[in-house]
Amino acid sequence: AQSVTQLDSQVPVFEEAPVELRCNYSSSVSVYLFWYVQYPNQGLQLLLKYLSGSTLVESINGFEAEFNKSQTSFHLRKPSVHISDTAEYFCAVSERNSGNTPLVFGKGTRLSVIA
Amino acid sequence: EAGVTQFPSHSVIEKGQTVTLRCDPISGHDNLYWYRRVMGKEIKFLLHFVKESKQDESGMPNNRFLAERTGGTYSTLKVQPAELEDSGVYFCASSHFGEQYFGPGTRLTVT
Repeated sequence: AQSVTQLDSQVPVFEEAPVELRCNYSSSVSVYLFWYVQYPNQGLQLLLKYLSGSTLVESINGFEAEFNKSQTSFHLRKPSVHISDTAEYFCAVSERNSGNTPLVFGKGTRLSVIA
Repeated sequence: EAGVTQFPSHSVIEKGQTVTLRCDPISGHDNLYWYRRVMGKEIKFLLHFVKESKQDESGMPNNRFLAERTGGTYSTLKVQPAELEDSGVYFCASSHFGEQYFGPGTRLTVT
């Protein structure tokens, strides 16, 4: 079984400041790792994912996350946030096998970017 | 290409009533998942269809919940009778292989 911990439920940050949203996971098997984002009044969208290869993965809108196996972490970072980044962010894992296994989510972190 | 759609977007019902939620996956996606988020808690898996078959229903909370997927296309999730603790946002997701694409969710409020 897997579990995901997002330590911060809310993160307020000023526009153009850096941000880090923390995610730690626990699993007895190898996993894939994901960050999903939910903008206000919208559904969940995949932001980025780690499947294999380079431990640093990037999204098209400037976010990046680094898989750290020894610390079982997958923290999300952005060097300079925009107002439009205000959303709820979810870290998730799934078992590494056929690729069609359920996601296990953290509780989410609500990022509020302040002008 | 249309994404995953869910209907209704909101539903308010009284305790003891029945509600049916619908999910239309992306065309061609064999895998369909239902998840639920109760307020303040994490998004939790309910069940997984592969085509019309239930692959994994380990997350279904109790027998008041019934999910179907007719002909391997759209899926319905019926709650009968609804209880207060069933309130939350119900998400549907579909995938062909790997990445799951989520719908906007149905917000269910049981009063």
